[in-house]
Amino acid sequence: QVQLQESGPGLVKPSETLSLTCTVSGGSISNYYWSWIRQPPGKGLEWIGYVSYGGSSNYNPSLKSRVTISLDTSKNHFSLRLNSVTAADTAVYYCARDLGGAYNPVFDQWGQGTLVTVSS
Amino acid sequence: DIQMTQSPSSLAASVGDRVTITCRASQSISTYLNWYQLKPGKAPNLLIYATSSLQNEVPSRFSGSGSGTDFTLTISSLQPEDYATYYCQQSYRTPLTFGQGTKLEIK
Repeated sequence: QVQLQESGPGLVKPSETLSLTCTVSGGSISNYYWSWIRQPPGKGLEWIGYVSYGGSSNYNPSLKSRVTISLDTSKNHFSLRLNSVTAADTAVYYCARDLGGAYNPVFDQWGQGTLVTVSS
Repeated sequence: DIQMTQSPSSLAASVGDRVTITCRASQSISTYLNWYQLKPGKAPNLLIYATSSLQNEVPSRFSGSGSGTDFTLTISSLQPEDYATYYCQQSYRTPLTFGQGTKLEIK
């Protein structure tokens, strides 16, 4: 059974960069697409973007200018970087495996999520 | 962006009840509709994909239906472990979007 685990700082200062890593265990990161999804407190889910096993990416236009998702097959993990954060970026951040790829994205495995708070 | 609207936003029901949650898309998404269950502090769980396909190990009391713009998730006989928040998600076009969630509470 594939397991995903998010890691990274729980507190980030405004205007700085949020950096998270999702470590995949129990299976290879190759041959799948991998996404980041977030949930602000008391709100719904927002898809941030995905990276493919080949390294291509697709981002939500609402965040595209600030986000980078990358893959490291040697470490079996993928990462999220979100620049110039504000309080509106405070959320639980989830990583997820996309079972369907680019044509029918379906998230069949998720991490438990990590809360990132943006505050000085 | 494709807007997904769920109803109701919250629902109180008793163990054994039949529960239906609806999800409406702002444009036709064929059958590119998935359902997830979220519980606090736990990894979200995929229940239904492609409108009506049951994910592995998900109990058969969960079912999905619909096409185009209107979809439903049905729990045939509510169990204590089903109290959670449920989200629909369209996979027809990026940016991928979710409904606002339906919180299922104990009556």
